[in-house]
Amino acid sequence: DAGVIQSPRHEVTEMGQEVTLRCKPISGHDYLFWYRQTMMRGLELLIYFNNNVPIDDSGMPEDRFSAKMPNASFSTLKIQPSEPRDSAVYFCASSLVKGIMNTEAFFGQGTRLTVV
Amino acid sequence: SQKIEQNSEALNIQEGKTATLTCNYTNYSPAYLQWYRQDPGRGPVFLLLIRENEKEKRKERLKVTFDTTLKQSLFHITASQPADSATYLCALDTGGGADGLTFGKGTHLIIQP
Repeated sequence: DAGVIQSPRHEVTEMGQEVTLRCKPISGHDYLFWYRQTMMRGLELLIYFNNNVPIDDSGMPEDRFSAKMPNASFSTLKIQPSEPRDSAVYFCASSLVKGIMNTEAFFGQGTRLTVV
Repeated sequence: SQKIEQNSEALNIQEGKTATLTCNYTNYSPAYLQWYRQDPGRGPVFLLLIRENEKEKRKERLKVTFDTTLKQSLFHITASQPADSATYLCALDTGGGADGLTFGKGTHLIIQP
């Protein structure tokens, strides 16, 4: 398996524009997570899905952020409208639950978003 | 409030010595704790998982301890090498066993030849 695949790797956009980040999880994984990483706040969980269903979106900072998982092999994170403070590295991760314990999370390479 | 603390200052260790990183947490009762390695420009990579009923876990040159009374985990790299230089993140489950992980900010480890 190629691992978790994210696109694009880098995105530079102007304030007010819509940004869509994409993720393909590892085949067969039950869980998909979106994280955001900044120097100030570290790695923050934004939202996660179980079997394509959003379970917890309490980490989504504002209504400007939305995430979807239309099928088991694809998810998007959308920011509309984007603001400079959204600049960060966004990671997608997937994992496979075994019993009641979650196993390790496999992360993608991340999307570095810069909003100017 | 819930908090995970890792030493924010870089840790400089001489090659061949044992590097020890600390992860402290408050107001959590995690069922397990994980350690990840992150290199610049890349996503975190899983290293080890230790459950609440385990005191110690080993994998090659890596050793993790988990003290639920002290609310602390120690991560050791023995016979350290320059290639071990990276940022190391600890992560805890935040409830239910199947929730997303909560990460510390990480400790930057530098192994000097």
